Amino acid sequence: EIVLTQSPATLSLSPGEVATLSCRASQSVSSYLAWYQQKPGQAPRLLIYDASNRATGIPARFSGSGSGTDFTLTISSLEPEDFAVYYCQQRSNWIFTFGPGTKVDIK
Amino acid sequence: QVQLVESGGGVVQPGGSLRLSCAASGFTFSSYGMHWVRQAPGKGLEWVAFIRYDGSNKYYTDSVKGRFTISRDNSKNTLYLQMNSLRAEDTAVYYCAKVYVSTYLDYWGQGTLVTVSS
Repeated sequence: EIVLTQSPATLSLSPGEVATLSCRASQSVSSYLAWYQQKPGQAPRLLIYDASNRATGIPARFSGSGSGTDFTLTISSLEPEDFAVYYCQQRSNWIFTFGPGTKVDIK
Repeated sequence: QVQLVESGGGVVQPGGSLRLSCAASGFTFSSYGMHWVRQAPGKGLEWVAFIRYDGSNKYYTDSVKGRFTISRDNSKNTLYLQMNSLRAEDTAVYYCAKVYVSTYLDYWGQGTLVTVSS
């Protein structure tokens, strides 16, 4: 089973700053990695799939990069609504796994 | 628009059973695989199970194998999760979600809370 680790666990930033979140896979997942955003009391929302493709309706300030085992989600200029928890996710041999999450909170 | 509405959650004693349902609308349900994902209170997301569009293949996380069964009724546009031999560690909000390009989850329901407690 492929394990995903995320860092940092918490990122404290101010609106307007750049957020850089990391996801590392225990084995190569090629480019088959997604990022989700979850706000308190809400279901997760797909942001990025195939490592770098924005899902429908996702603002351009969200971007993804990486391949193999190392991936990055970048939020270019944090808006107040971006403070949330972010999860990465992959599929391997029809087993799906999520990373433990990175909380982006207001500094 | 795509809608997924879970139901069937509640409080159940350890060792008990519960069946969750997920009513789908706004897309051709019979053409898409579906997932169940859970989230324990204050914890992260945990994938539980996946069923292919026609029900031909089902996959589970190890901790629920032999206890949970995912199924679907394409004539009713409904996804199910039969949960038996429930344990305290199964306490969570359970979400159903639609598959996207075989690998991702693009639409999610609002979740239903399952509490396993005596």
